[in-house]
Amino acid sequence: DAKTTQPPSMDCAEGRAANLPCNHSTISGNEYVYWYRQIHSQGPQYIIHGLKNNETNEMASLIITEDRKSSTLILPHATLRDTAVYYCIVRVATGANNLFFGTGTRLTVIP
Amino acid sequence: NAGVTQTPKFQVLKTGQSMTLQCAQDMNHEYMSWYRQDPGMGLRLIHYSVGAGITDQGEVPNGYNVSRSTTEDFPLRLLSAAPSQTSVYFCASSYLEGGKQYFGPGTRLTVT
Repeated sequence: DAKTTQPPSMDCAEGRAANLPCNHSTISGNEYVYWYRQIHSQGPQYIIHGLKNNETNEMASLIITEDRKSSTLILPHATLRDTAVYYCIVRVATGANNLFFGTGTRLTVIP
Repeated sequence: NAGVTQTPKFQVLKTGQSMTLQCAQDMNHEYMSWYRQDPGMGLRLIHYSVGAGITDQGEVPNGYNVSRSTTEDFPLRLLSAAPSQTSVYFCASSYLEGGKQYFGPGTRLTVT
């Protein structure tokens, strides 16, 4: 599975869009980009995933560059409850159940 | 659906004791796995299972044992607890598509 690079921390004002970047320059053609978050010490929560097209769901949007070497998770209107550690993970969609979590980005939403 | 449940929520063990962390899911998922998370670090995979009767090792399997006799349950056994196993343990499950996983609330284990 490809390795990812994320900034260790970011701040975002409440109500503004939070844009979390992820670099995955060694991604393979059959690998997806997954985003999870972990609020305080709870279990990680799946947010969104995509292969090469941009994706949107009720929680967030995922923008993947055309060369697929980087992506951005967008929380359109950040709230205080979005304060969490966000993990970008790259892996194939099927197969063994091993998600490689790194250290992620700690997003702090400021009132 | 209860999703993924884990028991106990908290546990304190003495060095050398053994115990079993319980994990259950009611979503009929084939894939289940165990992770540990140490302070300030990301999650690391301990063991995983692709279906009843099938298990395999992850990144940090030493000192842990698993079995999968049913689709619903995936217990993690600590054979002889050591202080280095002090951690938060998360169980997860997923559909055939392994990337989208559902995590339990975690078990906080302290070994003294």
